[in-house]
This record gives sequence, C-alpha cells and structure tokens, in this order.
Amino acid sequence: DSGVTQTPKHLITATGQRVTLRCSPRSGDLSVYWYQQSLDQGLQFLIQYYNGEERAKGNILERFSAQQFPDLHSELNLSSLELGDSALYFCASSVKPGNTIYFGEGSWLTVV
Amino acid sequence: SQQGEEDPQALSIQEGENATMNCSYKTSINNLQWYRQNSGRGLVHLILIRSNEREKHSGRLRVTLDTSKKSSSLLITASRAADTASYFCATDPQGGSEKLVFGKGTKLTVNP
Repeated sequence: DSGVTQTPKHLITATGQRVTLRCSPRSGDLSVYWYQQSLDQGLQFLIQYYNGEERAKGNILERFSAQQFPDLHSELNLSSLELGDSALYFCASSVKPGNTIYFGEGSWLTVV
Repeated sequence: SQQGEEDPQALSIQEGENATMNCSYKTSINNLQWYRQNSGRGLVHLILIRSNEREKHSGRLRVTLDTSKKSSSLLITASRAADTASYFCATDPQGGSEKLVFGKGTKLTVNP
C-alpha cells in the first residue's frame, strides 16, 4: 500500500458525460501528479500540483481539468468523454519535487 | 514524448535465473526511478537512483546508472514467479519540469 488513495477504482460511463476522479496523497506529501495509462500511449503525464498550485502541465486535453485543494487532495475532471479516453488514470504524490513518487492503484475509466 | 526506452520489450526466464532490464534516456536527469506494475494494477516504486550515484541495491534488486551513456539497468537476482510483471524506468529530467517521464516498459515473465 503506497498510501495514495484513489476513488473510484472502476467507472463506466457513456460518451459525452463528465466524471471526477479523486485522489488523497500520502500524508505529508505536497506534490500531486496525474498520469494516464492507455495501451497505445503508455504512461502519459497529465498535470502536477504542488501545495495547491499548478506546477507542470503535460499532455492534458482541454476537456480535462484538475485542481488541488487546501487539504492537498486533488480531483481530475474529465468532460465530454470520448471512447478514446478509456484508460487507467493514476494519481501519485511526493513530499516535494525530486523525491520518490508514489502511485495509487489507479481509477479504471471505461467510456462506452 | 517518451524519455526512457526499456530494452528488451519482453523477457521470459525460469525461476532462479537473473533478469536484466535496460533503460536508455535522452536528456540530462536529476534522478531515475524504477517501478513494477502487475497486470492492471498500480505502480509499485522499486528504487530511486540520483544522477550522482552509480549503483544502488535493494534486496534482490541492483540498479546501475551511467549518465555518460544515458542508460540504466535493473537486475533482479534469483527471480521468482511473483516477479512476473511489467517494469518501467522513469526519469526526472533536469530543467525544472519535475515530472516523471516513463518508458514503455519491459514485460517480465518468470516461469515456475
């Protein structure tokens, strides 16, 4: 158990819908990262927050957004979902950038 | 874009044998981390090696880093069936981006 908690574990939704994925980082970790893992693209970095502020942005679509709240938990919002958004979405956290990054178990999203 | 490239893409060995996986990357790094992923599960952190380190050990794992060749290797000694998983290297590139960039992974199968 990495200490990073993600909910929900599995989600099935229809195209065009919107979902929110939630992440609680390890206790004491200020940095939160979101990654998408799909069969064809591998593990892709989406976005990083540090202590509530956006720190780095990767291949995150405009239909996706994220935020980190004052209690350091984070949410990833996915809207206007398409079939191609079906993937495993990981949240990860670290004490600070440059340290070991610990991953949650992921949220399986299936868009039908 | 992928920073790390693991080699080989797939490796099949017998229990008790050693498994060596290699990772090459393109840009200068702050550190390199190795992760294991069982099918459809979360990423488990194995080891972090910093750019000023050349070798690290953790149990049956040995990681080397050659920054002049921009490469790293992960050696698993006396492999077990439970080591069957995909192994990823992830680099923390210099330049302040602070995100991990993953390769496509090596799929290791350890046959009983």
